[in-house]
Amino acid sequence: DAGVIQSPRHEVTEMGQEVTLRCKPISGHDYLFWYRQTMMRGLELLIYFNNNVPIDDSGMPEDRFSAKMPNASFSTLKIQPSEPRDSAVYFCASSLIGAEQYFGPGTRLTVT
Amino acid sequence: AQSVTQLGSHVSVSEGALVLLRCNYSSSVPPYLFWYVQYPNQGLQLLLKYTTGATLVKGINGFEAEFKKSETSFHLTKPSAHMSDAAEYFCAVSDQSGYSTLTFGKGTMLLVSP
Repeated sequence: DAGVIQSPRHEVTEMGQEVTLRCKPISGHDYLFWYRQTMMRGLELLIYFNNNVPIDDSGMPEDRFSAKMPNASFSTLKIQPSEPRDSAVYFCASSLIGAEQYFGPGTRLTVT
Repeated sequence: AQSVTQLGSHVSVSEGALVLLRCNYSSSVPPYLFWYVQYPNQGLQLLLKYTTGATLVKGINGFEAEFKKSETSFHLTKPSAHMSDAAEYFCAVSDQSGYSTLTFGKGTMLLVSP
């Protein structure tokens, strides 16, 4: 398997623009997670899905953030409008129930 | 609720020296424990995990960790550091209920000098 795939790997955008991050989990995994990593706050869980259904979005910072999982092989994290404080590395991870998570390479987002 | 404490945000060792990265956890239920490694500009990669059974767990790249319930610890060790071990290491805990959420520590950066 190719592992968890994320795109784009790097994104630079201006404040106020919409940003969409994409993730393809490992085939057969039924959990999908979105994390954000910054120097100040470390690794934060934003939201996770089980069988395409959002289970816990309490980590989503505010209404500007939204995530969807329309099918078992694709998920998006959208920020609208983006702000400089959203600059971070965003990771997607997937797993089977009760097992370890496999992380993608991340998307480095810079909002100017 | 679960939590993880990693002692020391940075640990420096010389090449060939023992590596010891400390992790203590708090969990009200039997835990699953994990160590992940993150190399620069990469995602997190699983080093090893403890679920049940043998408390000494061996992972990739010569690392191992021992689950000590009485001390609520899961320290990571390697007998001899290599330059390629320089990376950030994260300890994580989940519960055995079947849900897959992980609680991560803040990470320890391992620096290896020649």
